Formats: sequence, structure tokens, C-alpha cells
Amino acid sequence: DAKTTQPTSMDCAEGRAANLPCNHSTISGNEYVYWYRQIHSQGPQYIIHGLKNNETNEMASLIITEDRKSSTLILPHATLRDTAVYYCIVRTYSGGYQKVTFGTGTKLQVIP
Amino acid sequence: EAQVTQNPRYLITVTGKKLTVTCSQNMNHEYMSWYRQDPGLGLRQIYYSMNVEVTDKGDVPEGYKVSRKEKRNFPLILESPSPNQTSLYFCASSLPNQETQYFGPGTRLLVL
Repeated sequence: DAKTTQPTSMDCAEGRAANLPCNHSTISGNEYVYWYRQIHSQGPQYIIHGLKNNETNEMASLIITEDRKSSTLILPHATLRDTAVYYCIVRTYSGGYQKVTFGTGTKLQVIP
Repeated sequence: EAQVTQNPRYLITVTGKKLTVTCSQNMNHEYMSWYRQDPGLGLRQIYYSMNVEVTDKGDVPEGYKVSRKEKRNFPLILESPSPNQTSLYFCASSLPNQETQYFGPGTRLLVL
């Protein structure tokens, strides 16, 4: 799986959009970008994933650059409950299961 | 309710005393895995299993054993725990071709 690089921490005002960047410059053509988040010490929670097109669901939007070397997770209206560590990972989407490397993630603090 | 359960949630033990952390899922998932989480190191995969009787090493398998005799259960075994295995452990499961992983609530282990 390709290595990802994320900022260690970020702050965001409550009600504003939170934009979390991720660099994955060594991503290969068949690797997807996934985002998870972990609130306090709970089990990580899936947010969204994509290959090359932008994706949106009820939780967030994922913007992937045209060269696929980076992506941004957008929480459109951050709330205090979005305070968490956000992990960006890349992995191959296939019938087989592979090792998964989460990295250290970005600690997002939503400020009232 | 679809869930991944782990037991125990908290455990204090001494060096060398064998222990088992159980993991069970009720979603009929083929794939299961174990992670450990340590400050500054993020989530690291220990072992994973693609189906019954099929397991493979993750990034940090040393000192751990697993077995997959039934589809729903994937216990993590520490034959001779050491203090460097003090950590927060997570079990996860997923379906093939659905890369979303569902995580358990975590097991906090302290080895004295």
C-alpha cells in the first residue's frame, strides 16, 4: 500500500468547513483512497473512499486531484462531535485482502 | 445489531502469563484483522485472516498468534506477554469486495 502523509493536527471553528489534506504521491493506478476517523479511543469509523472521481456521502466529501497524488476530506459544517483523529489510507480494491497501514493521522480539533 | 465485540475490554497481567483476547463478529464477514495502537505510532496491523483457517502476518506480528477456526471468531493470543505489548488493541472485520472495515470497541492491555 502507498504511504500517506497528513498534517499532525488542525483546528476548525464550529460550523465551518473542515478541509483535511492527504498526500499520497506514490499511489498506483489501482489504489483507492480511504478515510477513517477515530473519536477518542473508540474503534475507527469508516467515512468515505474513492478512486479518481470526487465522492460525497452523508458524512463528508472527498476531493482527489487529477494526478491522484493528493486528496482532501471535507466536513462541510464541522461540529464538536467531529473532533477526532482522521486517517487517510490507500489500498488496492480487489477480491483479496491486504495489509492495511493507517499511519498517525490528523488530529482535528473543532473549536466552539 | 451488527457489531464486532472484544473481550476483555481491559486487562492487567504480568510478564509471561499467557492470555487470549477474543474477537467475534455477527455480520458473516470473511475478513478479520487485529491492530494495535500506540501513542505516536498510529494503528498498526498485527495479523489478518481472509477466511477460516487462512491467516497472514501484518506489519507487527512478533509475539502474537492468531487462529481462525470459525468464521465469526478471531482470537489474538499472547503466549508470553512482555511490557512492550502494553497497548490498545482493535479487532476489525469486513466483507470481500467491500473494503469498509468495522472495528470493535478496543481492548486496553497493560503488561507489568
